[in-house]
Amino acid sequence: KQEVTQIPAALSVPEGENLVLNCSFTDSAIYNLQWFRQDPGKGLTSLLLIQSSQREQTSGRLNASLDKSSGRSTLYIAASQPGDSATYLCANNTDKLIFGTGTRLQVFP
Amino acid sequence: DAGVIQSPRHEVTEMGQEVTLRCKPISGHDYLFWYRQTMMRGLELLIYFNNNVPIDDSGMPEDRFSAKMPNASFSTLKIQPSEPRDSAVYFCASSDGQGDGYTFGSGTRLTVV
Repeated sequence: KQEVTQIPAALSVPEGENLVLNCSFTDSAIYNLQWFRQDPGKGLTSLLLIQSSQREQTSGRLNASLDKSSGRSTLYIAASQPGDSATYLCANNTDKLIFGTGTRLQVFP
Repeated sequence: DAGVIQSPRHEVTEMGQEVTLRCKPISGHDYLFWYRQTMMRGLELLIYFNNNVPIDDSGMPEDRFSAKMPNASFSTLKIQPSEPRDSAVYFCASSDGQGDGYTFGSGTRLTVV
């Protein structure tokens, strides 16, 4: 059974720091890898999608990388801001999305 | 496109009542997914459809849960009878299956009292 683990489970940092969120899979047969953001009481917003032939994707201050051989993905957040506070979820997409447990991020002023 | 549309946004019902959640996927998306999110278990896939046909319903918790997709633009998730432990946020998502990712609806927050 595919399992997705995210480390750390929670993170609290002052604004301005560069952050690294980790995601790992038990099954390295990754098709696509997608990172989502979820604000409290809200739905999921797609941040970045790394397709199977790609190694990384960038959007603004966000950069996600994918190492299929090791079954790991990393989300980098540069110059963090209080508005980045949310839960970040990675999901491995084979024929369906399998979600990680999430990293709850708090960025304080 | 207005995205994936779910209704209602909130539902409060009494134990034993029937509950029906609705979803309209993005036009042209061939895949539709129902997820449930709880604090204890996170996001769990309940069932997904491809071209209106159920492909994998192994995540449906018990016979009280059923899902249908009568056409490409509409799906329902029904719980009958509902129980307090069904309280959760239920998300619908759709995908074109071509590697462009998934789009989620805003969810239905279900409370069974």
